[in-house]
Amino acid sequence: DVKVTQSSRYLVKRTGEKVFLECVQDMDHENMFWYRQDPGLGLRLIYFSYDVKMKEKGDIPEGYSVSREKKERFSLILESASTNQTSMYLCASSPPLALFSYEQYFGPGTRLTVT
Amino acid sequence: AQSVAQPEDQVNVAEGNPLTVKCTYSVSGNPYLFWYVQYPNRGLQFLLKYITGDNLVKGSYGFEAEFNKSQTSFHLKKPSALVSDSALYFCAVRDQRIGGNMLTFGGGTRLMVKP
Repeated sequence: DVKVTQSSRYLVKRTGEKVFLECVQDMDHENMFWYRQDPGLGLRLIYFSYDVKMKEKGDIPEGYSVSREKKERFSLILESASTNQTSMYLCASSPPLALFSYEQYFGPGTRLTVT
Repeated sequence: AQSVAQPEDQVNVAEGNPLTVKCTYSVSGNPYLFWYVQYPNRGLQFLLKYITGDNLVKGSYGFEAEFNKSQTSFHLKKPSALVSDSALYFCAVRDQRIGGNMLTFGGGTRLMVKP
């Protein structure tokens, strides 16, 4: 089974802090994604990566950056945390398009509170 | 641009009764459609998908979904609901902006199954 892990389940940070959220997958997937989940809004894509050192902006990249130095690890960075970034953050991975699989595999999520 | 709508924020059903969670989509071209479930404090779990073929798709935990092209719908169904089915359900469509595995999610529907 695919396993996607996230470094923290719950995190509390202060406004202005730099925050790192880590995600690791063990299935050698090329594609990795970061979403935030807010009630009534579903999941919104922040950033995704289709290969090491490659990244693409999603729908709401403002205030975030990402890093992918190794294939299995995809990090989300909040450069200067703000209260409107309080949310549930979900990481996902998926196999390459050539496998015609398309579904994504999700980690357990990190609930971030910025005070 | 593709989009997914889940018109009901919450669906209530009695245990043992059939359940339906609604989803409509808007895409250009052929839709690739997905259902995910999220249990409390957990990440999303893949339930089923429609790529091509039979309009009735069977998935995990006894769930199935019916693809209806004329109505642009992909409703999730189960013949007999269980209390343990209570969770948050997300419909998603493959994002067609870039040739990757991105998904666009609906806002989610909370299913409450009462004993």
